[in-house]
Amino acid sequence: QSVLTQPPSVSAAPGQKVTISCSGSSSNIGNDYVSWYQQFPGTAPKLLIYENNKRPSGIPDRFSGSKSGTSATLGITGLQTGDEADYYCATWDSSLSGGRVFGGGTKLTVL
Amino acid sequence: QVQLQESGPGLVKASQTLSLTCTVSGGSISSGYYYWSWIRQPAGKGLEWIGRIYASGSTNYNPSLKSRVTISGDTSKNQFSLKLSSVTAADTAVYYCARDFKDNWNDYGMDVWGQGTTVTVSS
Repeated sequence: QSVLTQPPSVSAAPGQKVTISCSGSSSNIGNDYVSWYQQFPGTAPKLLIYENNKRPSGIPDRFSGSKSGTSATLGITGLQTGDEADYYCATWDSSLSGGRVFGGGTKLTVL
Repeated sequence: QVQLQESGPGLVKASQTLSLTCTVSGGSISSGYYYWSWIRQPAGKGLEWIGRIYASGSTNYNPSLKSRVTISGDTSKNQFSLKLSSVTAADTAVYYCARDFKDNWNDYGMDVWGQGTTVTVSS
């Protein structure tokens, strides 16, 4: 059971837009920044978004992030078949002794 | 360009201690800016943060693993290591090391990852 809640799967057609939600609580998302990671099968995760809505160098602006209260959202526009991957949200949880926490991951299928 | 590489035994017997090392190239773990984290992923499942170490040697651990985890650094070799004691089949996973930055004001995420190493716990 992950601390952050994501839908197990989402799907959309090429060229369309998709959003992936990430729900938490006041001790994690409500109190800190959210980051997003993209992972293809058999490879390491890749940082897509940090500090809620900032993109590392090299990440196209088709990827965007937002946060409101205790929830965050990853948006992907102009979907490409190459975007088909697992996506994870993450943040810091300040309960107990603190630490990074992840969502359970969302499988994006580009139909 | 910073690169990370995990190494260690791929097979560990139940009840024993899992030991992995992450070798950092292109950057220094003693730079005093970044943290250095371990993350794991059981087959077909999600990511789990294990813990991290700072240049000063200070550490943070996942509360659910804290009693079994030790993360240490060797600045002379530019490596940091993970030890997980009393392993069970539930500890079978791909283990990743990553460069991490998060303080009280900023959170740049885990921006550089190793390729991961698979560890299987056998009975």
